[in-house]
Amino acid sequence: GAGVSQSPSNKVTEKGKDVELRCDPISGHTALYWYRQSLGQGLEFLIYFQGNSAPDKSGLPSDRFSAERTGGSVSTLTIQRTQQEDSAVYLCASSPAGGPRTDTQYFGPGTRLTVL
Amino acid sequence: AQKITQTQPGMFVQEKEAVTLDCTYDTSDQSYGLFWYKQPSSGEMIFLIYQGSYDEQNATEGRYSLNFQKARKSANLVISASQLGDSAMYFCAMRMEYGNKLVFGAGTILRVKS
Repeated sequence: GAGVSQSPSNKVTEKGKDVELRCDPISGHTALYWYRQSLGQGLEFLIYFQGNSAPDKSGLPSDRFSAERTGGSVSTLTIQRTQQEDSAVYLCASSPAGGPRTDTQYFGPGTRLTVL
Repeated sequence: AQKITQTQPGMFVQEKEAVTLDCTYDTSDQSYGLFWYKQPSSGEMIFLIYQGSYDEQNATEGRYSLNFQKARKSANLVISASQLGDSAMYFCAMRMEYGNKLVFGAGTILRVKS
């Protein structure tokens, strides 16, 4: 079946502009995650959605970052007033259950964000 | 706090040989899961293998096996019969019971030589 999809695959923006990154999880997966992969920081957790529960936003680096998940499916990560340090690959993942340690996360291809 | 350490920034292996990628972890919890992912140059993270903290047997998935030593807190990935297509970055990750996020190591770049 179809895997996790993300769009756009690449995004170049100017400092100070807002950007939106989209993630379409695997059908039927209740949990959705955003991670950021950058050269200096490795892979960092950003935010987690599970069903209708309040999201875990503990990894968001600043209040310029926000995310929503509509209808328990598609998610959008928004970065306002982008800064050069926001340049990274943003990875989305989904998993069937979101709770047990056995729950495997499947990743999308990522969006490469470059802030000029 | 949980931490994953991958001490090998880069590894070389001859095609058709086996290679071990090291991973150690730090946690005070008893219930957790350990994962290995492969990230080729295309950038997608590909799930390889899973080991639960209570699993008594080492996990295996085709050419991948996990050498799990709980007392040493290590979860090394063994790739048998290496292929050129195995050249990639490999990440070890951990997830706590009813936690949500994966905590990743820094990764190991593997290069398979022909």
